[in-house]
Amino acid sequence: AQKITQTQPGMFVQEKEAVTLDCTYDTSDQSYGLFWYKQPSSGEMIFLIYQGSYDEQNATEGRYSLNFQKARKSANLVISASQLGDSAMYFCAMREVSHNNNDMRFGAGTRLTVKP
Amino acid sequence: GAVVSQHPSWVICKSGTSVKIECRSLDFQATTMFWYRQFPKQSLMLMATSNEGSKATYEQGVEKDKFLINHASLTLSTLTVTSAHPEDSSFYICSARRQGPSPQHFGDGTRLSIL
Repeated sequence: AQKITQTQPGMFVQEKEAVTLDCTYDTSDQSYGLFWYKQPSSGEMIFLIYQGSYDEQNATEGRYSLNFQKARKSANLVISASQLGDSAMYFCAMREVSHNNNDMRFGAGTRLTVKP
Repeated sequence: GAVVSQHPSWVICKSGTSVKIECRSLDFQATTMFWYRQFPKQSLMLMATSNEGSKATYEQGVEKDKFLINHASLTLSTLTVTSAHPEDSSFYICSARRQGPSPQHFGDGTRLSIL
């Protein structure tokens, strides 16, 4: 069963505007972590932001913020003031504590294109 | 910050040869390392998880005899693609994690092309 769902294969945003990338997840664990990574065309995975399931406040890291709605099991990424360099693939991921190896599972990804 | 080095970054070889990919954690001890495969325009799919000093745990559908994983030290894990064929061509990414709650740090990936 799909654990992480990203329903937007592609998104466009005008430079300097904000954009929200959707992510929903499925777990029966009480303890889990949610992550967002950026993957530019060069391929490396760049860690952006983390939200723990017990964190009461939404995580923020510079221009990135995570809109965590636990009851709805959603963890949307908000990028404010988009820049041309933000154009990349974005992956939402989850790690469940109950998993033996605490491995990370990824959604299908969203390709973000920032238009000048 | 934590750095994971993956080598080589790109390899092209003939069908039937074996290819070894190295994943090193440069500034921390990685009790667990993960190997992912990513086909073009697709997501990362976990292949296997390796814990230092023990056998790797493979995901369903991944042939352990074809994708040999060795995690001999707390800073090095290797993935060997044995008798590689064109269908093994893909982007392989490793990641490493310290013990306890901590993020996974990724290598830059290896683009494998089998002719």
